Amino acid sequence: KAGVTQTPRYLIKTRGQQVTLSCSPISGHRSVSWYQQTPGQGLQFLFEYFSETQRNKGNFPGRFSGRQFSNSRSEMNVSTLELGDSALYLCASSLGQGINQPQHFGDGTRLSIL
Amino acid sequence: DQQVKQNSPSLSVQEGRISILNCDYTNSMFDYFLWYKKYPAEGPTFLISISSIKDKNEDGRFTVFLNKSAKHLSLHIVPSQPGDSAVYFCAALSGAGGTSYGKLTFGQGTILTVHP
Repeated sequence: KAGVTQTPRYLIKTRGQQVTLSCSPISGHRSVSWYQQTPGQGLQFLFEYFSETQRNKGNFPGRFSGRQFSNSRSEMNVSTLELGDSALYLCASSLGQGINQPQHFGDGTRLSIL
Repeated sequence: DQQVKQNSPSLSVQEGRISILNCDYTNSMFDYFLWYKKYPAEGPTFLISISSIKDKNEDGRFTVFLNKSAKHLSLHIVPSQPGDSAVYFCAALSGAGGTSYGKLTFGQGTILTVHP
């Protein structure tokens, strides 16, 4: 069974640019969550999508946005990039219905801002 | 406000012995707890979870204990193996109300080193 796939694995951008990251969940999973991992703040929740609707949102500025398509694939967009956006961005998927559902993570996209 | 805390940044254990990783939480709304293992350059791998209606869950060498009154959980690995060396994250979810699906709150992680 294929796992969560994130593309690209590595990305280098400059300040002010925008970036789009992609996530393909495990087949059958309808929930996709995004997290940011930095050395100082650890793993922080960005947002979660379920059936093409944002169901939960973390405490990040509006420059961070996302969407989910009908096939459950998700994209995350960051506009007007800042140096502090350099991080590992992780996507996780789960069935999304009922409680007690573990999330399964992809290997992440390493974003570096110059 | 750190709602999930792993107070030990690192732990060193001899192969074959028990590894005990600890986690404390402050939010009484959390009702589902998970442990993940993470190697460098890889995403977190799900290990084991426990619902708040239980106090223990076992899966092979891994056992998670939950003490709700103390808001404390621990992961026991017996016996420890060198391949277990990784960063371990504790995570919590408030899912019963249906409003926090998909929103895991993570601890800062504990680096486990298992020496041969």
